[in-house]
Amino acid sequence: DQQVKQNSPSLSVQEGRISILNCDYTNSMFDYFLWYKKYPAEGPTFLISISSIKDKNEDGRFTVFLNKSAKHLSLHIVPSQPGDSAVYFCAATGGGNKLTFGTGTQLKVEL
Amino acid sequence: DAGVTQSPTHLIKTRGQQVTLRCSPKSGHDTVSWYQQALGQGPQFIFQYYEEEERQRGNFPDRFSGHQFPNYSSELNVNALLLGDSALYLCASSTGLVRNEQFFGPGTRLTVL
Repeated sequence: DQQVKQNSPSLSVQEGRISILNCDYTNSMFDYFLWYKKYPAEGPTFLISISSIKDKNEDGRFTVFLNKSAKHLSLHIVPSQPGDSAVYFCAATGGGNKLTFGTGTQLKVEL
Repeated sequence: DAGVTQSPTHLIKTRGQQVTLRCSPKSGHDTVSWYQQALGQGPQFIFQYYEEEERQRGNFPDRFSGHQFPNYSSELNVNALLLGDSALYLCASSTGLVRNEQFFGPGTRLTVL
């Protein structure tokens, strides 16, 4: 049972444009959501998080939106840069720091 | 300041063997979590250690066991290896048991033949 789903395995965008990565969850107990970025041969790196009491959180070029009623969150990257090319994982937790991850979206930012 | 380190980087074993993977947490961190990432999947939580005790466990059989040492480093042991145990094993460190950012190591790639 996949409690965190990322339905787009890959996404390609032009440099300077917006990248939008989507994530859906099914477990109503999840109340904290995170995005991680992963380059090959490296561990996941924390990007940004959001608590269920908020619907938006920004950090520089990265913004995460949370729609609790739809059990959906998205990560916006503006403007996209070639160095953003990586696999992005959505993760969720309902307490403590046990993370449940999605399957990831491979983002490719083209020149 | 060293981040999370894991050893070895790669490992090849045969079915039925046993393996031990090692993790040193980021300086100042006292909690270690282990994840398994199969090809094309996201990381799956195996278990978490704090104060040398297993605090939380995911849906993994008893063949998977661990240990945390007084210096907060940790080991993951897998007995009776199966082909399906082939994966990237990630270690993450953090502070305490409350929700906070976890820092991941580069992982150990285990191949079971």
